[in-house]
Amino acid sequence: EAGVAQSPRYKIIEKRQSVAFWCNPISGHATLYWYQQILGQGPKLLIQFQNNGVVDDSQLPKDRFSAERLKGVDSTLKIQPAKLEDSAVYLCASSGWTTEAFFGQGTRLTVV
Amino acid sequence: DAKTTQPTSMDCAEGRAANLPCNHSTISGNEYVYWYRQIHSQGPQYIIHGLKNNETNEMASLIITEDRKSSTLILPHATLRDTAVYYCIVRETTSGTYKYIFGTGTRLKVLA
Repeated sequence: EAGVAQSPRYKIIEKRQSVAFWCNPISGHATLYWYQQILGQGPKLLIQFQNNGVVDDSQLPKDRFSAERLKGVDSTLKIQPAKLEDSAVYLCASSGWTTEAFFGQGTRLTVV
Repeated sequence: DAKTTQPTSMDCAEGRAANLPCNHSTISGNEYVYWYRQIHSQGPQYIIHGLKNNETNEMASLIITEDRKSSTLILPHATLRDTAVYYCIVRETTSGTYKYIFGTGTRLKVLA
């Protein structure tokens, strides 16, 4: 089966600019996760969707980060405006009720 | 916060068994233990999971203590390609969905 697709793979932006990441989960997976992984640390859960509803966004910096999952399938994560400390790998994952979570390759963001 | 604690790093000789410990003393009765690994520049990859019985698959074995407060991931014959960061995760249930909270993981280096 096709895996979790993310794009772009790499992005370099200047601070105060905006950026968006896209995720296409595995077909049929109701749960979608966005993680932020700073170099040398484990992935940190930013937001979790069940279909197109938010289950948990307690760790999402809502003053600058937003995410949506239209029609319960694809999802986008946006940062506006970006800060230097947002430099990280952004991972998307999806899972079904009876499956483990599958992760995409991630988007590496560098803010300069 | 993650419910697991792991050693920061471990070395293992190629061809030998790698035994990676994990403590999860606050695990609840219906929470599963999951193991993922992350090779540099890739998304986390699922290895194995278990509830209270020992489990084995083509990649590894998982030994969970009877009181479920700790577990050990065993890679029976480590190869250089097993060099990665290994994450032990207690899968939590929230609002009818599952949540995967990562800790800092164990950086395993397999030595030639």
